[in-house]
Amino acid sequence: DGGITQSPKYLFRKEGQNVTLSCEQNLNHDAMYWYRQDPGQGLRLIYYSQIVNDFQKGDIAEGYSVSREKKESFPLTVTSAQKNPTAFYLCASNLRQQTDTQYFGPGTRLTVL
Amino acid sequence: GENVEQHPSTLSVQEGDSAVIKCTYSDSASNYFPWYKQELGKRPQLIIDIRSNVGEKKDQRIAVTLNKTAKHFSLHITETQPEDSAVYFCAAPNQIIFGKGTRLHILP
Repeated sequence: DGGITQSPKYLFRKEGQNVTLSCEQNLNHDAMYWYRQDPGQGLRLIYYSQIVNDFQKGDIAEGYSVSREKKESFPLTVTSAQKNPTAFYLCASNLRQQTDTQYFGPGTRLTVL
Repeated sequence: GENVEQHPSTLSVQEGDSAVIKCTYSDSASNYFPWYKQELGKRPQLIIDIRSNVGEKKDQRIAVTLNKTAKHFSLHITETQPEDSAVYFCAAPNQIIFGKGTRLHILP
């Protein structure tokens, strides 16, 4: 897990503003993921990417956008269209989607004021 | 679509007793079945996994069993200790759907 980082750790946003969460890995992993975690709930998939310049929507992609221009980076933008963005956001990566352990970043806690 | 069900959602056991958490999945085409542990305020981390060519894997007090015919796999923790208190997640075979988690409480 030391090879995947997220920044910032805490983020505050005013309503109506877009904000971008950073996720970087130096593990040479092909696949990267973004999850949202609400208190007492599981991990819900927002977006995932199996290869550079390609990504797929997860169960709760509405109001979010991503890019995968480099293998090591998978930033998530929370747009103003996301109605309830306050949550804990986790990024993860693995070598191959289906058959390898996911390594998680430390997370970013986003609060909308 | 693909689905994964995890039970129970909460589990309380006396210290020293065993705990079992079950995960049922719908996608029959996979061969990798992981369990992750998330302590309070921390990131999820893999604690044990199993591939479909075996039915059981053990690592000290933790074991995972797999029944591909019935499409379920289970996490077994024996001789539970206070540090086992956490939330445990299984991941569906394609690894993009997680179970909703089981909050395990170890009672003194």
